[in-house]
Amino acid sequence: SQQGEEDPQALSIQEGENATMNCSYKTSINNLQWYRQNSGRGLVHLILIRSNEREKHSGRLRVTLDTSKKSSSLLITASRAADTASYFCATGSGNYQLIWGAGTKLIIKP
Amino acid sequence: SQTIHQWPATLVQPVGSPLSLECTVEGTSNPNLYWYRQAAGRGLQLLFYSVGIGQISSEVPQNLSASRPQDRQFILSSKKLLLSDSGFYLCAWSVGTSGSEQYFGPGTRLTVT
Repeated sequence: SQQGEEDPQALSIQEGENATMNCSYKTSINNLQWYRQNSGRGLVHLILIRSNEREKHSGRLRVTLDTSKKSSSLLITASRAADTASYFCATGSGNYQLIWGAGTKLIIKP
Repeated sequence: SQTIHQWPATLVQPVGSPLSLECTVEGTSNPNLYWYRQAAGRGLQLLFYSVGIGQISSEVPQNLSASRPQDRQFILSSKKLLLSDSGFYLCAWSVGTSGSEQYFGPGTRLTVT
């Protein structure tokens, strides 16, 4: 079943601008993760934030988590053409499964 | 380092034909293994997962089945394909029990005609 809901479904920005994607979820979680999928390829794990963390950075990525609002955001700064991809959030809740959102399709225009 | 292999990369099969997709993982022991299906432009649908040899959990009732004959081998099968089985099939692995990060194979594009 789908728990994560990404917003927006699609986002088109100019190269060099920042891109922000949001994810909301419904139940309590142990962690929230973000993945990237280039067209026709497998998913790549980007970053994991635990439920007791509020913010995490990895290179040009910044993830925030607000457990009171059951939401997370992924910020990609200084976007590049290579960032064009679909981005998915997934929540982990203490078992073997992740619950996935439907994804945000990001297009970076040169 | 760990790697995950999936084959074939693409497959075109007629309705009613059998299916066998294989996934193998290298560089890790006793991984959790997963089969997902992704419709075009959509999110991931978990089909099966396995936490050990011979242990398979099914998430969606359908005409697909999965098997794990060896620790690092996961097979997705069907006896008779349906048109609705078309999609992008992804295998993934993880370790641990608390929703840890998953690592994906390159996927198999299946078209049922």
